[in-house]
Amino acid sequence: AQTVTQSQPEMSVQEAETVTLSCTYDTSESNYYLFWYKQPPSRQMILVIRQEAYKQQNATENRFSVNFQKAAKSFSLKISDSQLGDTAMYFCAFMKGTYKYIFGTGTRLKVLA
Amino acid sequence: GAVVSQHPSWVICKSGTSVKIECRSLDFQATTMFWYRQFPKQSLMLMATSNEGSKATYEQGVEKDKFLINHASLTLSTLTVTSAHPEDSSFYICSADRADTQYFGPGTRLTVL
Repeated sequence: AQTVTQSQPEMSVQEAETVTLSCTYDTSESNYYLFWYKQPPSRQMILVIRQEAYKQQNATENRFSVNFQKAAKSFSLKISDSQLGDTAMYFCAFMKGTYKYIFGTGTRLKVLA
Repeated sequence: GAVVSQHPSWVICKSGTSVKIECRSLDFQATTMFWYRQFPKQSLMLMATSNEGSKATYEQGVEKDKFLINHASLTLSTLTVTSAHPEDSSFYICSADRADTQYFGPGTRLTVL
């Protein structure tokens, strides 16, 4: 069975600095999707970035980028130029086939002024 | 694009009553929707997968007679919590699948007195 591990329960970063959130997963599949979602205090889940496993190129969305290491089964999220609005819970998710997500336990990120 | 709404955003009810929560995909059609439950400071727990025109698939341990799911159209899925009890108090979140990505509603806070 697939599992997703986020080993950093909490992190903090100074405004304008860069932070990296880690995510590892376990699967025997070769084709799948990986996601990062952000859940701010409003509790609305917001898609941050999406990666298709067959694509070698790392996905980027403005200040957000991933380091996808398929062989190592690692999918870290880098946030550049951190902003106060980035303060949130961040969830890593894995999806294969039936559209069901396997979520990690989340990393609480606090951006400090 | 890919907006999902939920109604109501919060509801308080008496023990023993039933509560219906609606999940709508506003700008796309969704054959598959999902219902989650989230406890404070925890990850999302998948309750069931809702497929338009067919019976929902419930996760292990979720009582299907207590949490009734109906997905009668490509833009609407409903979750009815029947004979609610205080232990059903929680934050319920729906999502809709679009192009192998889930888009989430803003959630419903249910409090059962």
